[in-house]
Amino acid sequence: DVKVTQSSRYLVKRTGEKVFLECVQDMDHENMFWYRQDPGLGLRLIYFSYDVKMKEKGDIPEGYSVSREKKERFSLILESASTNQTSMYLCASSSPGTGTHSPLHFGNGTRLTVT
Amino acid sequence: DQQVKQNSPSLSVQEGRISILNCDYTNSMFDYFLWYKKYPAEGPTFLISISSIKDKNEDGRFTVFLNKSAKHLSLHIVPSQPGDSAVYFCAASTSGTYKYIFGTGTRLKVLA
Repeated sequence: DVKVTQSSRYLVKRTGEKVFLECVQDMDHENMFWYRQDPGLGLRLIYFSYDVKMKEKGDIPEGYSVSREKKERFSLILESASTNQTSMYLCASSSPGTGTHSPLHFGNGTRLTVT
Repeated sequence: DQQVKQNSPSLSVQEGRISILNCDYTNSMFDYFLWYKKYPAEGPTFLISISSIKDKNEDGRFTVFLNKSAKHLSLHIVPSQPGDSAVYFCAASTSGTYKYIFGTGTRLKVLA
């Protein structure tokens, strides 16, 4: 069974702090994703990575960066946290499959509050 | 521009009856669709998927219908159970990309 682990369930940070959200998956998946979930907006893609050291911007990358130094680990970085980045952050992974789509497997999320 | 829309933010259904959750999309390039269920304080869990070459896929109590001409899909849960109470997200993707576009979710409440 795929396990995607996010290092923190809850985080409280101050405006201007640099914030690291960590995600680890144990299924040797090539693809990893960071989404944020906000009421009325659903899940929005921030960044994704389809290989080590590779990254692609999603729909809302502003104010974020990512790091993928190892296949199993994908980090989301808030360079200077702001209150509008208060949200639920969800990490996911998938394998490319063999010519077919592959569902995303999500972690349990990190609820980040920026004060 | 919301490419995947779930126009009903919430739905209440009696236990044992059918729940029907709807999803509309605008991008005709989407060829793979999924439904996820999400409980509070947990990540979304994959429920069922359908490829654009099909118009129906069934898995136990869950059936997804796809109407490509209307750009509409629906999830049917029969019979509904109180444990089905959750937020349901539909998502869509295009071959050759790894991106999934999610809808805004529908909160289902199954009343005992």
